[in-house]
Amino acid sequence: GESVGLHLPTLSVQEGDNSIINCAYSNSASDYFIWYKQESGKGPQFIIDIRSNMDKRQGQRVTVLLNKTVKHLSLQIAATQPGDSAVYFCAENSGGSNYKLTFGKGTLLTVNP
Amino acid sequence: DADVTQTPRNRITKTGKRIMLECSQTKGHDRMYWYRQDPGLGLRLIYYSFDVKDINKGEISDGYSVSRQAQAKFSLSLESAIPNQTALYFCATSTSGTFGTQYFGPGTRLLVL
Repeated sequence: GESVGLHLPTLSVQEGDNSIINCAYSNSASDYFIWYKQESGKGPQFIIDIRSNMDKRQGQRVTVLLNKTVKHLSLQIAATQPGDSAVYFCAENSGGSNYKLTFGKGTLLTVNP
Repeated sequence: DADVTQTPRNRITKTGKRIMLECSQTKGHDRMYWYRQDPGLGLRLIYYSFDVKDINKGEISDGYSVSRQAQAKFSLSLESAIPNQTALYFCATSTSGTFGTQYFGPGTRLLVL
């Protein structure tokens, strides 16, 4: 069945370093992907999205890369800060009408001062 | 996200009790969703609604019901709560566009004893 998974359940980095969070997806028909950040006690917060007709998209300190050949998605965070510590989820829209997002289980990012 | 609010934020109830979780949004979005989040399982879709007259079951709708009282309000009910419904519940909204991002509320933490 369709699934979205993460290579690493936890990631620990030093403040100021760049972070890379990875995500594998299995549905080659997925046309839209989203990264969410979830801090403790809060709901998922939208970070950045990318459509399947793109390979890369940049935001403020974040970049999402999409490799459709190997069905891989990554989130790069530049100059990671303590406030970036959270669980990061990827999600894919495999339904085409954006009503059905399949979420990964999340990666816990810990930023050490 | 203050645009999507959920009440209550925390709830403890007993097995067999009926409870209702409420969601309101000021984003003007047509689509609303209810998810539950369990450790290690990620977010799973319970119900979703494209508009006031359109309600659909998600992947785990058994034991739940919903009501879309208005464009801005979407409530989730547990008719007879059971302990394995203990979870974190999130409401989300999105536009009706093909690539409309889902925006989440702060969540309701439910404990069924």
